[in-house]
Amino acid sequence: LAKTTQPISMDSYEGQEVNITCSHNNIATNDYITWYQQFPSQGPRFIIQGYKTKVTNEVASLFIPADRKSSTLSLPRVSLSDTAVYYCLVGDKGNNDMRFGAGTRLTVKP
Amino acid sequence: DAGVIQSPRHEVTEMGQEVTLRCKPISGHNSLFWYRQTMMRGLELLIYFNNNVPIDDSGMPEDRFSAKMPNASFSTLKIQPSEPRDSAVYFCASSTWTSDETQYFGPGTRLLVL
Repeated sequence: LAKTTQPISMDSYEGQEVNITCSHNNIATNDYITWYQQFPSQGPRFIIQGYKTKVTNEVASLFIPADRKSSTLSLPRVSLSDTAVYYCLVGDKGNNDMRFGAGTRLTVKP
Repeated sequence: DAGVIQSPRHEVTEMGQEVTLRCKPISGHNSLFWYRQTMMRGLELLIYFNNNVPIDDSGMPEDRFSAKMPNASFSTLKIQPSEPRDSAVYFCASSTWTSDETQYFGPGTRLLVL
């Protein structure tokens, strides 16, 4: 299983762009990169998934360099409600065995 | 869609008692996962099923834990006997075995063993 490394915590202010980088040096050819968000007292929720280059949806963007050994989740103009733990996962779409790491605790301040 | 349904939402029990947690996955999903979350250990995958068959139970802590999926719409996680160190939030998640492997999580069951 590919191991992921993320910062334990990050602070930001409302209206700023937040970039959270995840390292996954031993990512395999068939692995996809998936990010989840978890609010207190709730289960994790899917944010975005990608394989290479850039993916964008209504919530976030995901940047993946050519070597795929890292990825960056970008949250544009965060608000207080974006305060949560963000998890980066790497795994084969044909293999449901993806493991959650410690995640990054993002705190957005007014 | 009602999403993944878990019951009970909260459970308080005494050490040595049997605890049964229940999960109803999203209709049409054929993969089901049980996770445990604590402050110390984070979110741990306990076991997952594909088409009602257990695929990987290496995350199950010990023989006191067991999980079943008798049909596509129901799964249980049982702890017998329970111990205080089992206190945690237990999440169930489901997904489809297709191109989109997104896991949809339930609200969790908060278990406290006294």
